[in-house]
Amino acid sequence: GAVVSQHPSWVICKSGTSVKIECRSLDFQATTMFWYRQFPKQSLMLMATSNEGSKATYEQGVEKDKFLINHASLTLSTLTVTSAHPEDSSFYICSARPSPGQDFLSSYEQYFGPGTRLTVT
Amino acid sequence: AQSVTQLGSHVSVSEGALVLLRCNYSSSVPPYLFWYVQYPNQGLQLLLKYTSAATLVKGINGFEAEFKKSETSFHLTKPSAHMSDAAEYFCAVRIGGYNKLIFGAGTRLAVHP
Repeated sequence: GAVVSQHPSWVICKSGTSVKIECRSLDFQATTMFWYRQFPKQSLMLMATSNEGSKATYEQGVEKDKFLINHASLTLSTLTVTSAHPEDSSFYICSARPSPGQDFLSSYEQYFGPGTRLTVT
Repeated sequence: AQSVTQLGSHVSVSEGALVLLRCNYSSSVPPYLFWYVQYPNQGLQLLLKYTSAATLVKGINGFEAEFKKSETSFHLTKPSAHMSDAAEYFCAVRIGGYNKLIFGAGTRLAVHP
């Protein structure tokens, strides 16, 4: 239980184009999902908190117009990197927090996806 | 503000030796603390968590951690390292009502024969 998937697992795009990354909770519902960014050999940095049916909350220094987040259902959140540039190349990881009341899952935990490696050329 | 500090960006041990990865936290309220492991090009897997119950927490793969309030520490240990334990380890503290996690810088564990 508590499986989170990301698609694609890796993507290469050209500078100036946009790319969408999907995060899905496969066997549970998640009111809240989180998006992280990880540069090589560095820690995870929280980019934004995504809440189903409402606007995402971005961390300080994260451009909300560049990193568009949509959380249209209880099992899917998407991150769109708009007008990508080489400096956006990174490993993007999502996590999902189970909605309360789901058997054997703690709403205090986050379950992580496998990550998406974005390379902008 | 809540934060975690991991001492030692790289730790190297021999197979069969004790593993000790250090984490100190800063929190104005009783913290929820976590240890995660990350293998190359993969997401994070929860090893164990402290949620104000028992101070000695046992996790998966033989790891455990002890919450010491007096030392503001939550160090991760394993009595005998295995080659498969080589990975990146992150300590994290939960903050806020949305359960945001703040991660430490990470410690890369190398295990040599």
